[in-house]
Formats: sequence, C-alpha cells, structure tokens
Amino acid sequence: AQSVAQPEDQVNVAEGNPLTVKCTYSVSGNPYLFWYVQYPNRGLQFLLKYITGDNLVKGSYGFEAEFNKSQTSFHLKKPSALVSDSALYFCAVRGDTGRRALTFGSGTRLQVQP
Amino acid sequence: DAGVIQSPRHEVTEMGQEVTLRCKPISGHDYLFWYRQTMMRGLELLIYFNNNVPIDDSGMPEDRFSAKMPNASFSTLKIQPSEPRDSAVYFCASSRGGRLGQPQHFGDGTRLSIL
Repeated sequence: AQSVAQPEDQVNVAEGNPLTVKCTYSVSGNPYLFWYVQYPNRGLQFLLKYITGDNLVKGSYGFEAEFNKSQTSFHLKKPSALVSDSALYFCAVRGDTGRRALTFGSGTRLQVQP
Repeated sequence: DAGVIQSPRHEVTEMGQEVTLRCKPISGHDYLFWYRQTMMRGLELLIYFNNNVPIDDSGMPEDRFSAKMPNASFSTLKIQPSEPRDSAVYFCASSRGGRLGQPQHFGDGTRLSIL
C-alpha cells in the first residue's frame, strides 16, 4: 500500500520569506511524486513532479521540491513567498507498478502574511 | 486547450433524489478519475477508467454510486438514492496514457449538497 503524510495542517510565513511545505511518503518500488495546489472553489492544479534524475525539481510559479530517498521525503519549497501563494497544497505519490491511481496527502494550508 | 469540464458546478437536491454529475476529459487523455473531497476525509479516489473501461472502483462507497464512461469524451457519476452524507465536492480528472509520470488534470468540481 502507498501513503503520504503531510504533517502540518497549516504553514504561516511572511511575504518575502522562504517557505517549506513538508511531505513524506511510503510506496513499493520507485516513487513518482507530485505536488498540486488548490485555490478556493477550484480544482487541483499541477505544480511539479519527480520521476527520476535530479533530486531538486523545479515547477510552476517559482516552486521547487527536493526529493530525498533516504528520508522518503519530497518537501515543497519557494525562496520568496508571495501573498498570492496562499492556498491548499497537496502532495501525491504512486509507485511504478503500473497502477495509475495517485494517493494524496491530507493537504497543508499555506498562509502568507503581507 | 480546454481543460477538464464538469457540470453542474453546484447541485442542491433533497435526500432520495437521483443525482448525475458529468465530466468531459481533456481530448486525447486515456485515463479518467473521479474523486470526492470532504473536510473530514480529504480527497478520496472513487473510481478510474482507462480507455473507457473501469479499472478500479474499490473507492466507490456503496451500491448507490455508479459511474459510466460511454465514450472517450464523456463520463457520469450517479448517486441513487442520494443521502445527506453524500454532500461533498466531486472532482473529475484526466491524464494521458503512456509514461507513468503523466500528471492528472482536474476540473473545477461539482459542489453537491443533499438536504
């Protein structure tokens, strides 16, 4: 079985400061990892993914994520937060077994204060 | 390109009524997923299709729920009879086939309220 843990329900950060949203995972085989963002009354939007290769993955809107195999983590980061980054963020994982279903974490609400 | 289109955006109905949610996936996508989102349970996968064939429906909560995909451009999720605990936001998502790392693209959801 595969699982994702997002240990923080909410992260608060001041505008201009760096942000980190944490994610750890459990999966059989090699992981395929994704981050999504959800704004109010909207669907989830794809931000970035890790499949293989460099451990630091760059995505949309200046976000990046660091894959750490030994710690089974895939934390989302941004060097300088914007108020408009305030949203709900989901980490998701699937294994390389061929099953297409993603397992999503419970979500972390990011609040960026001006 | 048009994204995943869901209708209706909002549905309010009384307990016991039949509810039908609709989804048009992105053209060329081979996979279609139905999710349910609630505060208590988060985002749950209900069912997914590959080339119009249901692959995994283990997340469908009860026999009251059914999903169909009659062709590559249309899917429905039906609840009959509906109950207040079915109130949630229902999302449809689609993705390409081929390589395993294809992301899913979500519609904006249907907010369902059962009174």
